[in-house]
Amino acid sequence: DAEITQSPRHKITETGRQVTLACHQTWNHNNMFWYRQDLGHGLRLIHYSYGVQDTNKGEVSDGYSVSRSNTEDLPLTLESAASSQTSVYFCASSDRGQGNIQYFGAGTRLSVL
Amino acid sequence: DAKTTQPTSMDCAEGRAANLPCNHSTISGNEYVYWYRQIHSQGPQYIIHGLKNNETNEMASLIITEDRKSSTLILPHATLRDTAVYYCIVRAVYNYGQNFVFGPGTRLSVLP
Repeated sequence: DAEITQSPRHKITETGRQVTLACHQTWNHNNMFWYRQDLGHGLRLIHYSYGVQDTNKGEVSDGYSVSRSNTEDLPLTLESAASSQTSVYFCASSDRGQGNIQYFGAGTRLSVL
Repeated sequence: DAKTTQPTSMDCAEGRAANLPCNHSTISGNEYVYWYRQIHSQGPQYIIHGLKNNETNEMASLIITEDRKSSTLILPHATLRDTAVYYCIVRAVYNYGQNFVFGPGTRLSVLP
């Protein structure tokens, strides 16, 4: 079955280090999204992409970057990790013709010490 | 996208129907109603969506009032595994690439 997978599921890193979180989907969806979820804030959009070579900033994009070199993957990079980026990160994908439904990965729990 | 209002929390007895309400009084004609849920520590899970007609799938039923200003998600026979936060989201049908705005949702507790 087609799916969306995130890796790693858990990550501990130190402040100042570069970290990359992976997101891979096998639905061939054009649209992919990264969210973070913190207590008291719900899900907030970090970056999104409508297709290969396309990336856009979301609500909380500072300190994060993404690149889309193929349809299946949208890696999220924290250039210099900060303690404020300790959070749970979710990736999602969607496409036209499917009722605009977004499908979410299981999440990555990141701790920045 | 229209704003939604949901109760903060609800309880339901196991085996009974869980009816989760949502108000979306400012909904416009091209906006759909979507329901997602998030079980603790997992990613949000799509449940159902609809425009104006009632919808049913293997997970739930969605009842939308005739004026479309409110809706109810029905889990016909709630189980302990249905304990989760349920989100009602209203979105324009043409916003294919935009994110979903998740509010605080309703925390449903299914009790044995």
